[in-house]
Amino acid sequence: QKEVEQNSGPLSVPEGAIASLNCTYSDRVSQSFFWYRQYSGKSPELIMSIYSNGDKEDGRFTAQLNKASQYVSLLIRDSQPSDSATYLCAGMEYGNKLVFGAGTILRVKS
Amino acid sequence: GAVVSQHPSRVICKSGTSVKIECRSLDFQATTMFWYRQFPKQSLMLMATSNEGSKATYEQGVEKDKFLINHASLTLSTLTVTSAHPEDSSFYICSARDELVVETQYFGPGTRLLVL
Repeated sequence: QKEVEQNSGPLSVPEGAIASLNCTYSDRVSQSFFWYRQYSGKSPELIMSIYSNGDKEDGRFTAQLNKASQYVSLLIRDSQPSDSATYLCAGMEYGNKLVFGAGTILRVKS
Repeated sequence: GAVVSQHPSRVICKSGTSVKIECRSLDFQATTMFWYRQFPKQSLMLMATSNEGSKATYEQGVEKDKFLINHASLTLSTLTVTSAHPEDSSFYICSARDELVVETQYFGPGTRLLVL
């Protein structure tokens, strides 16, 4: 099993809908998780971090962590075409190294 | 806050030359910086962890003599690609860990290297 796994997509949602991005992780990754957004040709931009079980909300974004299921997700409400990007899930490995998933391509159609 | 810069943003060089890329944390101190490489349509791959005042830690398969890393101050790390070849062409991205925001890494804008 890879340390951090994501469905590569693309995930297509209509404008205004909720986009749901999912990620699973292995035991090698610690309890700190991050969601980054990466536009084509650009570097990753931090969207959310989550450390505790449950939900964490920031504007249109909600991160969810379920440690028992080793599952972390990102919900984007009221999706906009400008949200179209690759979303990278990352977990913290021993030594404070980030381990990235392959990324999920999100396409928001107007 | 938490701004990381990289220079240059883009570089084209001839095969066999060396290229130096700078990574700076502009508004915070970073004892630890990370260097990643990203090939087209692939995710980020960690190359090495740069520690201020000590030797860098390289990931398996990364040649330390080819990718020289220096972290001379709390705000600057450099990556030098020595004797670059076309297969080294890639998007190189650094990140810096803000010591005051535990475990969070902020990424620089990246450097696109093309070796002819």
